Amino acid sequence: GENVEQHPSTLSVQEGDSAVIKCTYSDSASNYFPWYKQELGKGPQLIIDIRSNVGEKKDQRIAVTLNKTAKHFSLHITETQPEDSAVYFCAAKDFGNEKLTFGTGTRLTIIP
Amino acid sequence: GAGVSQSPRYKVAKRGQDVALRCDPISGHVSLFWYQQALGQGPEFLTYFQNEAQLDKSGLPSDRFFAERPEGSVSTLKIQRTQQEDSAVYLCASSALVGAGNTIYFGEGSWLTVV
Repeated sequence: GENVEQHPSTLSVQEGDSAVIKCTYSDSASNYFPWYKQELGKGPQLIIDIRSNVGEKKDQRIAVTLNKTAKHFSLHITETQPEDSAVYFCAAKDFGNEKLTFGTGTRLTIIP
Repeated sequence: GAGVSQSPRYKVAKRGQDVALRCDPISGHVSLFWYQQALGQGPEFLTYFQNEAQLDKSGLPSDRFFAERPEGSVSTLKIQRTQQEDSAVYLCASSALVGAGNTIYFGEGSWLTVV
């Protein structure tokens, strides 16, 4: 089955700086890669996703890049703000399989 | 409602007790998922429904776990004879369509503590 690894497990950045979280996946058949933000006591909230037919997607301060050859994808947050502090999860899903396989999460702390 | 709704939000069960967790998916969503999230971990897949059919239950950890979605909307996850290792957040999620790339929306979760 699919295996998703996520790094780093914790990340602290100064407010206004950029944050990058990286994930690798094992199943070359995976073709959908969402990123979720989870705040304490809440469920995961989708913040951006990318499908395998594109290499990059951007939504305001958030961008995701995908390298299918290397089987890795990354989340980039620019101009970080205190409200970006949360746990971020990457996930992967393959064609014909409905379930998401999640990474282990990154606790992002924005230092004011 | 606007999102996936789960109840109860918090449940404390004595070891050996049966519990039932309810999920109301987003109206009209075909796909429904249950995930288990242990403290400090990512969500782990439990089971998947397409309408009322349970198409994948490969993630259910034991036969004490049972899920149903009899009318293709509301779903219930039942855990029999709860044990301490069942303590976790149980997340329900739904999506409108079937197939890769369809956005999956999560509820707030039901926090289960077995004492």
